[in-house]
Amino acid sequence: NAGVTQTPKFQVLKTGQSMTLQCAQDMNHNSMYWYRQDPGMGLRLIYYSASEGTTDKGEVPNGYNVSRLNKREFSLRLESAAPSQTSVYFCASSRQKDYGYTFGSGTRLTVV
Amino acid sequence: QQPVQSPQAVILREGEDAVINCSSSKALYSVHWYRQKHGEAPVFLMILLKGGEQKGHEKISASFNEKKQQSSLYLTASQLSYSGTYFCGTALKETSGSRLTFGEGTQLTVNP
Repeated sequence: NAGVTQTPKFQVLKTGQSMTLQCAQDMNHNSMYWYRQDPGMGLRLIYYSASEGTTDKGEVPNGYNVSRLNKREFSLRLESAAPSQTSVYFCASSRQKDYGYTFGSGTRLTVV
Repeated sequence: QQPVQSPQAVILREGEDAVINCSSSKALYSVHWYRQKHGEAPVFLMILLKGGEQKGHEKISASFNEKKQQSSLYLTASQLSYSGTYFCGTALKETSGSRLTFGEGTQLTVNP
């Protein structure tokens, strides 16, 4: 099994450009999450989807939008990238709330 | 709302023991523990629910004091492979455990 797959792995954007980070899981998990990780800091929740058809804001949702396309896929969109969004983005999934998270390998995004 | 981890960093010699603590100011539904090696994704170690003790790996265990809103991760007879950053993730009762907030991490280094 591939687990959680994120694309792309690396991306450089110019300020103001838009892009979509893709995430797909093949474990039939119900819940999916987007986190960002900045140097020396923990993971901060951007958005999450407890189940197919629902999405909710996390701690740092400003500047981002999400789409739960189906049970497998959960995408994160930056409409107008800013240097403050330079970070490593992790997608994660879990069967449900009493289970551990499986993380993707991350997308390293640099906004110049 | 972010849980507080201590210590921030610890250096061990192979075979020594370590304890990492995680505390929250809010009532907890569950506590997760993850390990992240440099440049990689976090990996799930264990989840603790309702004051129980959960054993993950053979020499890694954890406890959860629901009344004190604290959890501790115990690493005994440490191995070189235990090196990495350990994160606790807390799910709150007020959100029915629907999402995790992570601490800033504890950097563990095991030397020969």
